[in-house]
Amino acid sequence: GNSVTQMEGPVTLSEEAFLTINCTYTATGYPSLFWYVQYPGEGLQLLLKATKADDKGSNKGFEATYRKETTSFHLEKGSVQVSDSAVYFCALRIRGGGGSNYKLTFGKGTLLTVNP
Amino acid sequence: EAGVVQSPRYKIIEKKQPVAFWCNPISGHNTLYWYLQNLGQGPELLIRYENEEAVDDSQLPKDRFSAERLKGVDSTLKIQPAELGDSAVYLCASSLRDDREAFFGQGTRLTVV
Repeated sequence: GNSVTQMEGPVTLSEEAFLTINCTYTATGYPSLFWYVQYPGEGLQLLLKATKADDKGSNKGFEATYRKETTSFHLEKGSVQVSDSAVYFCALRIRGGGGSNYKLTFGKGTLLTVNP
Repeated sequence: EAGVVQSPRYKIIEKKQPVAFWCNPISGHNTLYWYLQNLGQGPELLIRYENEEAVDDSQLPKDRFSAERLKGVDSTLKIQPAELGDSAVYLCASSLRDDREAFFGQGTRLTVV
């Protein structure tokens, strides 16, 4: 089956530190990969995505590169801010069954806390 | 543009009682999803609708859970009777089509005591 494994948290960093959150996946087929973010008290928001190998998704200073050879999609940011404190979810989507049956499979999430 | 709206935000009920959650998707979105998020876990799909048709309900525990999307717009998820293990956050999401970005609501946090 399909699954996503994320680095366990929580992750605590000081402002302006470098961030890496590891994500690896297993999938039957060729998935699209996503990072979602959940700020305190809010719903999940799409942060970035990549749909094919070697694609780089980027948004708000965050980046992740689709690595098919290592089945990974690690999230990075060069300089985190206090406002980046949130839970980050790695996810994949692949066709399930016939036709256009898409389903998001999520990792467990990684809590990031950034201190001033 | 209004996002996905869910209500209530929080619900506390006693076990064996019924409970219902409501979701209003983004206008024009044909696809609607209900996800279950247990504490410390990622969301898991319960059911997906294309307009008013439930096209994937394989993960919905049908002995106690039911859902409907009459007229292909708003949706209701019901649990009857609730069990202690149902305590979780229930997320609703919608998208233009099933291959487009899904937008999530804030969720309903259910506590069963």
